[in-house]
Amino acid sequence: TQLLEQSPQFLSIQEGENLTVYCNSSSVFSSLQWYRQEPGEGPVLLVTVVTGGEVKKLKRLTFQFGDARKDSSLHITAAQTGDTGLYLCAGFGDSGYALNFGKGTSLLVTP
Amino acid sequence: GAVVSQHPSRVICKSGTSVKIECRSLDFQATTMFWYRQFPKQSLMLMATSNEGSKATYEQGVEKDKFLINHASLTLSTLTVTSAHPEDSSFYICSASPSGPGLYEQYFGPGTRLTVT
Repeated sequence: TQLLEQSPQFLSIQEGENLTVYCNSSSVFSSLQWYRQEPGEGPVLLVTVVTGGEVKKLKRLTFQFGDARKDSSLHITAAQTGDTGLYLCAGFGDSGYALNFGKGTSLLVTP
Repeated sequence: GAVVSQHPSRVICKSGTSVKIECRSLDFQATTMFWYRQFPKQSLMLMATSNEGSKATYEQGVEKDKFLINHASLTLSTLTVTSAHPEDSSFYICSASPSGPGLYEQYFGPGTRLTVT
């Protein structure tokens, strides 16, 4: 099983601050995905990164895939209360079609 | 597009009874569907992979006789928790892949909260 480690596990910041969430593995992934999940709901896909070194931007969110395709980061600029949620990274496992999820980073943005 | 629904959204049942959860792809055909469970403040754990017309593949440690999966059509997969116990209480989430294995598209349902009393 290809494990994905996320850090930090919990993060509480004030509106306007910047933050970075990390997703690391000892295994190489063909791609990594980032999801955001709100309480009582299913996860929603934010982005898929495929190429080593790739950087993708989604408004105030910046996603980066490591050159060796073993790690990824999510940076949020000027966080808003609406960014509160559980952020999960995921990669396709050995089977090639089932997703392995990291443990998640629970983000709380306060006014 | 690519909407996945689950029914029911919440269910409470007594210990020893069985509960069926449905997962439907509303606007696409899903060759493969996946079932996850999520405990409070934890991540999603894959339980099984369901392929239309064939037996489900269960992850290590998941009892196939307890968690019965049926994927009888390209738009419907069901998970039946048999003889439920309080420790089966969890958030069950399904996802559906419209393009078959190996590709990036996997759409998640809104989840089903199961509480066993």
